[in-house]
Amino acid sequence: DTAVSQTPKYLVTQMGNDKSIKCEQNLGHDTMYWYKQDSKKFLKIMFSYNNKELIINETVPNRFSPKSPDKAHLNLHINSLELGDSAVYFCASSSGQGYYEQYFGPGTRLTVT
Amino acid sequence: DAKTTQPPSMDCAEGRAANLPCNHSTISGNEYVYWYRQIHSQGPQYIIHGLKNNETNEMASLIITEDRKSSTLILPHATLRDTAVYYCIVRVDSNNDMRFGAGTRLTVKP
Repeated sequence: DTAVSQTPKYLVTQMGNDKSIKCEQNLGHDTMYWYKQDSKKFLKIMFSYNNKELIINETVPNRFSPKSPDKAHLNLHINSLELGDSAVYFCASSSGQGYYEQYFGPGTRLTVT
Repeated sequence: DAKTTQPPSMDCAEGRAANLPCNHSTISGNEYVYWYRQIHSQGPQYIIHGLKNNETNEMASLIITEDRKSSTLILPHATLRDTAVYYCIVRVDSNNDMRFGAGTRLTVKP
């Protein structure tokens, strides 16, 4: 069974559209994250949720809005997509805040044309 | 969190030990050293972490110098599947995120 899953794996869309990426973990973890890996391969934290509560919100445009309906899910909704949003987005989870081991999903490659 | 410096790339022969260095000269007393790796097109994977003692698990060993200003990740018998980008991260244990740098691209060659 996949520990952290993301859908879709690939997402191609046009500028100005709104899209969502879903993330689910079946590990029973309390904390979930979204990371962005750009074309230069730098991986940066975007958001962190603990028990459905936002803990970290890095300097991310407010077009990006995470939604956590329950502890097992953290979805990422992006409004008014821009070319610069093209990247690979990774969801991750850990068993608690600050826990050393984060489990990452397979990533969603978003391409904005 | 302290900054880390890693060589951009390294090669290693299959079956030999891979020794990946990391400098973290500004590390604070309460900051841990973490290692993750990212195999091509996959999400990062936790390898090992430590504070000041050397650590070993089924994947690797972590050697931290006495002054804690540098560390080395050792893969004892590298295989082709160990080809990946290896990230050294220094972080206060209570922080909620991992801040990844550029990492070291390790290529294991037959």
